[in-house]
Amino acid sequence: AQKVTQAQTEISVVEKEDVTLDCVYETRDTTYYLFWYKQPPSGELVFLIRRNSFDEQNEISGRYSWNFQKSTSSFNFTITASQVVDSAVYFCALSEAPGNQFYFGTGTSLTVIP
Amino acid sequence: ETGVTQSPTHLIKTRGQQVTLRCSSQSGHNTVSWYQQALGQGPQFIFQYYREEENGRGNFPPRFSGLQFPNYSSELNVNALELDDSALYLCASSEGTELAKNIQYFGAGTRLSVL
Repeated sequence: AQKVTQAQTEISVVEKEDVTLDCVYETRDTTYYLFWYKQPPSGELVFLIRRNSFDEQNEISGRYSWNFQKSTSSFNFTITASQVVDSAVYFCALSEAPGNQFYFGTGTSLTVIP
Repeated sequence: ETGVTQSPTHLIKTRGQQVTLRCSSQSGHNTVSWYQQALGQGPQFIFQYYREEENGRGNFPPRFSGLQFPNYSSELNVNALELDDSALYLCASSEGTELAKNIQYFGAGTRLSVL
């Protein structure tokens, strides 16, 4: 079974629009961490954020914000006032602690049109 | 830049051949994890190396093997290549083995094509 589901395969928005990327996860563990990574065309995965299962506070970092809801097993990512440089594939990921397994979703390809 | 470097950038092999991919970890990182990313998919965990030994493996056959050296750099070896092995292979380094608690920093990957 897929532990991380990103139902949106591709999204296109016009520059300055807001966009939300959805992530739904599945785990039986009580202690786990959720991540978002960005993969630009260069291929290198860039770490964006990590949240643990005990911290449901939403987080804002500049134009990025994250909404973690355990009740719906979701960890959604919103980009406000999108820019062309935001164009990339975004991956949500899960790691169950303790452990060294890491599960990525299938990614959402975001295209920001100027 | 993450400080994680991978070589080569691209590689073309034929079915049945063997391949070695290389990864230099970020300074101070003692753990290396390898991932396979097929086209249009998310990365899949292959295995992790810590203190020069394999420390966990995903759902990959034994023909996928690795090494870690005293300087923490690592190699991924794939024997008897199959067409389905065509993918982007990513290496990630971290300060420890628990991937929940230790952020992974990724290289840009090696694109392997098997013909």
